[in-house]
Amino acid sequence: NAGVTQTPKFQVLKTGQSMTLQCAQDMNHNSMYWYRQDPGMGLRLIYYSASEGTTDKGEVPNGYNVSRLNKREFSLRLESAAPSQTSVYFCAEGPRPNTEAFFGQGTRLTVV
Amino acid sequence: TQLLEQSPQFLSIQEGENLTVYCNSSSVFSSLQWYRQEPGEGPVLLVTVVTGGEVKKLKRLTFQFGDARKDSSLHITAAQPGDTGLYLCAGAGSGGSNYKLTFGKGTLLTVNP
Repeated sequence: NAGVTQTPKFQVLKTGQSMTLQCAQDMNHNSMYWYRQDPGMGLRLIYYSASEGTTDKGEVPNGYNVSRLNKREFSLRLESAAPSQTSVYFCAEGPRPNTEAFFGQGTRLTVV
Repeated sequence: TQLLEQSPQFLSIQEGENLTVYCNSSSVFSSLQWYRQEPGEGPVLLVTVVTGGEVKKLKRLTFQFGDARKDSSLHITAAQPGDTGLYLCAGAGSGGSNYKLTFGKGTLLTVNP
């Protein structure tokens, strides 16, 4: 996991607040992803970026926006947090879309 | 929608026992990966299998990809407490689903000393 750095590791938000989750990778890979992990639901893809300059929606994009700032960095923004967005968020990267992924340590977000 | 079902959901065994975890789908995958996730950490890639019928070994772990590339299994021999964790399988789709990995919900393994 050393190749993917996520910040912050923990965050508590009030409903309606906004925040940005940061992710940076040093593997020089093209593809980056944001997942959320919830009990009983597994890992679900929020957004992905196949390469610098492109982003696309995954399974559960509503309530989120992303920015692929450069090849290294891929951020996830919650514009108006809701309790349903309480989850553990993982950033991941990989050499190509639809291949193995290398994950960060996660951001544990609670929305109250 | 491509779905991956893992079984069992939970498994608690004693040190030294053998176990098998299954990952099944009705869809064909171009490749399949297995990950292990420990509490408070992100998933870590264990192996990728690509060819139908392929078998890969990683020390005491044996991974098999089904002939039809719809299913996979993970067998652990002589389990140790260090094997405790959440085991996830993930399938790489093809065609219209070629942008993402489909993850199973995982098997939570506890190996008791």
